[in-house]
Amino acid sequence: EADIYQTPRYLVIGTGKKITLECSQTMGHDKMYWYQQDPGMELHLIHYSYGVNSTEKGDLSSESTVSRIRTEHFPLTLESARPSHTSQYLCASSVNYEQYFGPGTRLTVT
Amino acid sequence: KNQVEQSPQSLIILEGKNCTLQCNYTVSPFSNLRWYKQDTGRGPVSLTIMTFSENTKSNGRYTATLDADTKQSSLHITASQLSDSASYICVVSDRGSTLGRLYFGRGTQLTVWP
Repeated sequence: EADIYQTPRYLVIGTGKKITLECSQTMGHDKMYWYQQDPGMELHLIHYSYGVNSTEKGDLSSESTVSRIRTEHFPLTLESARPSHTSQYLCASSVNYEQYFGPGTRLTVT
Repeated sequence: KNQVEQSPQSLIILEGKNCTLQCNYTVSPFSNLRWYKQDTGRGPVSLTIMTFSENTKSNGRYTATLDADTKQSSLHITASQLSDSASYICVVSDRGSTLGRLYFGRGTQLTVWP
């Protein structure tokens, strides 16, 4: 199993709160990604990074933002959570063809 | 439109039986095709990766096949175990960008009963 970690694993939060989902990897991978996944649906890319100080939006429009100040750390922030943000968020890193996924954060906004 | 379609959507089999999951794709240009296993509440874990020149690849009891001409792939699971219960996701990558854009299927939900 890959060394990629996400915290928290589960989060229930009220509307309007600011939240940060943490993702870190110890493999030294330059490329990192955030995906959103709803039950029974495909993964959708919301953000990616090719390295430090590089971040890009993915295919699915998202109100979240990301930062990449250190190679190993790629946090995702929601400034004001809404019920429509309820989903599973998966972080991944990659080298060559291989993508390694974290365990995910299940976010519920009430 | 680049798409990845998987069938069946869900499947129930008895422990010890074999099964085959299907993946059809329209992604072009094609770089590679991956099969992932995703346990409930966990991130996907890679099972196999096949490039254009490969038509079969095995990983233990999992064997993936690829027909790049018909744009079809299958994942065969032999002698199923209870721990095989999971969602199996087909993912296709194109060559169109440095990102190696990934196209995800919705997965086949496999349940193995004792």
